Amino acid sequence: NAGVTQTPKFQVLKTGQSMTLQCAQDMNHNSMYWYRQDPGMGLRLIYYSASEGTTDKGEVPNGYNVSRLNKREFSLRLESAAPSQTSVYFCASRGTSSEQYFGPGTRLTVT
Amino acid sequence: DQQVKQNSPSLSVQEGRISILNCDYTNSMFDYFLWYKKYPAEGPTFLISISSIKDKNEDGRFTVFLNKSAKHLSLHIVPSQPGDSAVYFCAASTYTGRRALTFGSGTRLQVQP
Repeated sequence: NAGVTQTPKFQVLKTGQSMTLQCAQDMNHNSMYWYRQDPGMGLRLIYYSASEGTTDKGEVPNGYNVSRLNKREFSLRLESAAPSQTSVYFCASRGTSSEQYFGPGTRLTVT
Repeated sequence: DQQVKQNSPSLSVQEGRISILNCDYTNSMFDYFLWYKKYPAEGPTFLISISSIKDKNEDGRFTVFLNKSAKHLSLHIVPSQPGDSAVYFCAASTYTGRRALTFGSGTRLQVQP
């Protein structure tokens, strides 16, 4: 039982490049979330998905797109990376309670 | 406009003593509160939570207190252990809607042996 997995763990991009961050959960949860964490700040919600095929913007969605491919997987795409998107990205899932379970994170640097 | 605030960036306590981490919130719609623990290079790990209908919840060495009138909650760790050294995040949510978490900026706890 792996919980929430994320790939890659680290990535360096040049400004303007694109990439997709992958997230998968094996807990049969309906809800999934993408957050970013910047130094000295708490995690902020980028996008949310209540179920397969549905997504909704969070607090900081600009520059990102998401896909809820199936119940297990929720990916985050940066179409044209900017230095302001340098951050640590966390994926989370939630079952019927309010507790969310987080993956180990992806550390992204955009130069 | 921070809706969840942790005003102490860091806290240092001696092993065996009590650690008290504080959190304030401004949004009256929040009705569920959680504490997460985070080690470097790992994701946040759920620690303990409390519903707004309660004022206290205990789980082993960890107790969370909620004062709704003051919009304040605290996490008590007794006794503190060196393995408790980590960053602790307070988070708030609602029971309805997307139930996303609004996080504070975290408090780094250092437990000295």
